[in-house]
Amino acid sequence: KNEVEQSPQNLTAQEGEFITINCSYSVGISALHWLQQHPGGGIVSLFMLSSGKKKHGRLIATINIQEKHSSLHITASHPRDSAVYICAVSRNTGNQFYFGTGTSLTVIP
Amino acid sequence: NAGVMQNPRHLVRRRGQEARLRCSPMKGHSHVYWYRQLPEEGLKFMVYLQKENIIDESGMPKERFSAEFPKEGPSILRIQQVVRGDSAAYFCASSPLNRLNTEAFFGQGTRLTVV
Repeated sequence: KNEVEQSPQNLTAQEGEFITINCSYSVGISALHWLQQHPGGGIVSLFMLSSGKKKHGRLIATINIQEKHSSLHITASHPRDSAVYICAVSRNTGNQFYFGTGTSLTVIP
Repeated sequence: NAGVMQNPRHLVRRRGQEARLRCSPMKGHSHVYWYRQLPEEGLKFMVYLQKENIIDESGMPKERFSAEFPKEGPSILRIQQVVRGDSAAYFCASSPLNRLNTEAFFGQGTRLTVV
């Protein structure tokens, strides 16, 4: 079983819709990261969370440490938001990220 | 301050050739991580290096793969005698600390195709 599970795997939305991507993890973490990857592109860090909630523009990320769960929300989605969104955790020990398999988002105009 | 720089962006090798992938970390970062993204799969950790030291190579295949981060110059991921199964995107990340509870900085990746 993967240490990090994401859902859904694929998501198609109409422009303007509110989008939620979920991430659950099964290990102790020091931080959780949401990353964005455009097709054929590099990986960009969107958020790093260890508690609570963060907001950047139309993106909101929340984390519930007790439930080992995080959500990434996109408000007023736009076609340019189409990308793969990846949840990753860094553990209290060790030197590596553990990644979810990603959620492929397509926003249709 | 340039980000994490990887080159080449795309690399095509014939089976049996060697592939060398380079990663220059962000200025001031002395910790480098290599990850592999196989087609239709998530990213997997390969190796963690500091200058002149391999700290954790638990994700590296036992044969044909090696990594270094010399005192001067970029980190190199080397794949000898490439096979079709090595075709993947290889990403490098860097950090200023030895813990990943700081923001993640990734390069654009090198997409290796073995023909």
